[in-house]
Amino acid sequence: KQEVTQIPAALSVPEGENLVLNCSFTDSAIYNLQWFRQDPGKGLTSLLLIQSSQREQTSGRLNASLDKSSGRSTLYIAASQPGDSATYLCAVRPTGANSKLTFGKGITLSVRP
Amino acid sequence: DAGVIQSPRHEVTEMGQEVTLRCKPISGHNSLFWYRQTMMRGLELLIYFNNNVPIDDSGMPEDRFSAKMPNASFSTLKIQPSEPRDSAVYFCASSRIRDEQFFGPGTRLTVL
Repeated sequence: KQEVTQIPAALSVPEGENLVLNCSFTDSAIYNLQWFRQDPGKGLTSLLLIQSSQREQTSGRLNASLDKSSGRSTLYIAASQPGDSATYLCAVRPTGANSKLTFGKGITLSVRP
Repeated sequence: DAGVIQSPRHEVTEMGQEVTLRCKPISGHNSLFWYRQTMMRGLELLIYFNNNVPIDDSGMPEDRFSAKMPNASFSTLKIQPSEPRDSAVYFCASSRIRDEQFFGPGTRLTVL
């Protein structure tokens, strides 16, 4: 059974810092991996999707990498801003025709002005 | 595109009443998912459909919960009868099969 772990559960950094959020998964047979952001009281917003054949994806100040063999993904946020404060979740989709996402519990990020 | 649309956004009801949550997926998406999120249990997948057909309903907590997708642009999640422990935020999400998943804003359900 696939398990997705995100450690630490919470992180506080000063504005301007570059930071890395980690995601690990137990089964390397994945189809793709998706990073989401959730603001308090809101739904999940898709940030990046990485296919199993890809090593990384970039969107603005965000860069997500994928290392299937080691069961790890990282989300890199450059020059963090207070507006980046939110909970970040990663989700893994295994191979298989009718596979579903397995979510981590998320990392709650606070960026201090 | 308007994104995934859910209604109502908030629902307050009394124990024993029937609750119906509605979802309109993004046009062109053929997978639809119903999730529930609570502080205690986090995000849980309840059921999902591919091409309007239920594929996996193993997350549906009990027979009081049912979901339908009569066509590609509409789905409902029904709870009958509702109980206080059903209080949660219910999310609908859609995607092309095995592709990037997009979430709706959620329905916050409170059962008194």
